[in-house]
Amino acid sequence: SQTIHQWPATLVQPVGSPLSLECTVEGTSNPNLYWYRQAAGRGLQLLFYSVGIGQISSEVPQNLSASRPQDRQFILSSKKLLLSDSGFYLCARDRVGGYTFGSGTRLTVV
Amino acid sequence: AQKITQTQPGMFVQEKEAVTLDCTYDTSDPSYGLFWYKQPSSGEMIFLIYQGSYDQQNATEGRYSLNFQKARKSANLVISASQLGDSAMYFCAMREGLASKLTFGTGTRLQVTL
Repeated sequence: SQTIHQWPATLVQPVGSPLSLECTVEGTSNPNLYWYRQAAGRGLQLLFYSVGIGQISSEVPQNLSASRPQDRQFILSSKKLLLSDSGFYLCARDRVGGYTFGSGTRLTVV
Repeated sequence: AQKITQTQPGMFVQEKEAVTLDCTYDTSDPSYGLFWYKQPSSGEMIFLIYQGSYDQQNATEGRYSLNFQKARKSANLVISASQLGDSAMYFCAMREGLASKLTFGTGTRLQVTL
């Protein structure tokens, strides 16, 4: 199984509050993991990717950070949310022939 | 420069008809892969079809086929016999060389009508 678990499904947070989105994966060990964000009606923007425990690469400067404390766990965080952090966040893992995506978290910052 | 370009923000097709969704790409790497994903209103990303740059034949998966024109750098998705359930956003994506990152286009919203 290459299942990806993401939670929560939806989240409404006030500006300035912290954020923690968790993604856990099943299947083969040491997967490449990714966080994407999708603004309303737009394409997917790669935020972070990780090729192993403790290894994080950031694609765009932003208010967010990522961590990979365990092989199958990928966490997206923020200390203080901005309105512009609203969007649909998708976790993905690499597999032969493409990605498997989680079901996503719809974040609304108010 | 955009690596993946989808020029059709929205498309309409009648049920049972075929539809082509356009995708052009830009890369200097001789080894790359092209993907199409479907995103229904629920938000999940569903893998549809994959084409490798060295594949000699166009990829097909059921009602989906990829019209790969390497010289033109295009990888259009063809959906045959459209169904109401095909209504969704469709994204073209590319992976270059040894990198595992996927770059996505901005998507095309397909609406299938009766």
